[in-house]
Amino acid sequence: DTGVSQDPRHKITKRGQNVTFRCDPISEHNRLYWYRQTLGQGPEFLTYFQNEAQLEKSRLLSDRFSAERPKGSFSTLEIQRTEQGDSAMYLCASSYQREPRNTIYFGEGSWLTVV
Amino acid sequence: GNSVTQMEGPVTLSEEAFLTINCTYTATGYPSLFWYVQYPGEGLQLLLKATKADDKGSNKGFEATYRKETTSFHLEKGSVQVSDSAVYFCALGAGGTSYGKLTFGQGTILTVHP
Repeated sequence: DTGVSQDPRHKITKRGQNVTFRCDPISEHNRLYWYRQTLGQGPEFLTYFQNEAQLEKSRLLSDRFSAERPKGSFSTLEIQRTEQGDSAMYLCASSYQREPRNTIYFGEGSWLTVV
Repeated sequence: GNSVTQMEGPVTLSEEAFLTINCTYTATGYPSLFWYVQYPGEGLQLLLKATKADDKGSNKGFEATYRKETTSFHLEKGSVQVSDSAVYFCALGAGGTSYGKLTFGQGTILTVHP
């Protein structure tokens, strides 16, 4: 299967700890996106990359959040000094620039629980 | 800014019933419209899409037509199955510099009983 892959699928951490999520996009997709989804809500856009460049960041992405895509392939999303309000599912998605507009494919998500 | 409003759920139907989930949007320019489905504990799967006015997206018996005059993209299926039970999200994709940045509705939970 060559879909979007995320790791870990579930993470429980204590408040104040740092966590990192990894996303491997579909091969040859040059665009990669991070979204956050809280219980009972639709996903909310956080940030996106085209190749290794981070082109847009949402106001939701506070200073404690940092995303990287160093070689234009996989990406990491790090949350420092986690808070209980960070508990959510973090979704990664990817797309290819030449595909029909805005057709993006999501991974299965990484659940974060901050206790 | 852009926004998407979905009919509130949950929606509970018997197998083989007709399904409609309403979705309306507010956007500038010419957005693309999507329906995504999310099964319990999983990520989002693209169900169907439409990229311009009057386009009809269809997949797995589901259909939705991009209606610019009513700013709507309602999801329909003629005969639902138990396996269709999931959360359905309507989403809008803006163009230009916001390419790929989707705005989602709040989701509609569908439960289909045998």
